[in-house]
Amino acid sequence: NAGVTQTPKFRVLKTGQSMTLLCAQDMNHEYMYWYRQDPGMGLRLIHYSVGEGTTAKGEVPDGYNVSRLKKQNFLLGLESAAPSQTSVYFCASSKPSGGFQETQYFGPGTRLLVL
Amino acid sequence: AQSVTQLGSHVSVSEGALVLLRCNYSSSVPPYLFWYVQYPNQGLQLLLKYTSAATLVKGINGFEAEFKKSETSFHLTKPSAHMSDAAEYFCAVSNQAGTALIFGKGTTLSVSS
Repeated sequence: NAGVTQTPKFRVLKTGQSMTLLCAQDMNHEYMYWYRQDPGMGLRLIHYSVGEGTTAKGEVPDGYNVSRLKKQNFLLGLESAAPSQTSVYFCASSKPSGGFQETQYFGPGTRLLVL
Repeated sequence: AQSVTQLGSHVSVSEGALVLLRCNYSSSVPPYLFWYVQYPNQGLQLLLKYTSAATLVKGINGFEAEFKKSETSFHLTKPSAHMSDAAEYFCAVSNQAGTALIFGKGTTLSVSS
């Protein structure tokens, strides 16, 4: 049982390049989330999904897109990377019964540096 | 709307000393409250969770937190710090509808020998 895994662990991009971050979970969770963590800012929600084929915007969605084609996977895309998107990105998942009241299980994070 | 304030971005204690990390919340309805811990270069993991069943909540690794409605607080404590407790701690609040989870900015705990 691997829990929540994220690919890649670290990436360097140039401004304007695109990339996709992959999150996978093997706990059969309905809810999945993407957060970014910046120093002194805590975690901020980018997008989330309450089930396969559905996505919704969080607190800081601009510049990102997401897709949930399979229940176990949640992809975060950056179409045209900007230095302001330099951050650590965390994926999380949870059971559906209580929505955001449920315990969230986090992946190890992806460190992204945009030059 | 919910909000969370963690007082003190950095707390330093000696090994064996009391750990107290402060969290105050703002919520118009009874909240669900969480403490998560993040060890270096890892993701967050749940320490404990308040769901209105009991005001004193016990978590993993000897941590506990007390919900005080009159003070809108949910401070995290541990009687005796261990070197392995050094980490970043996040308080978070969710609303009754379960439609949002708001994290505080985090408190870094350092433990010295």
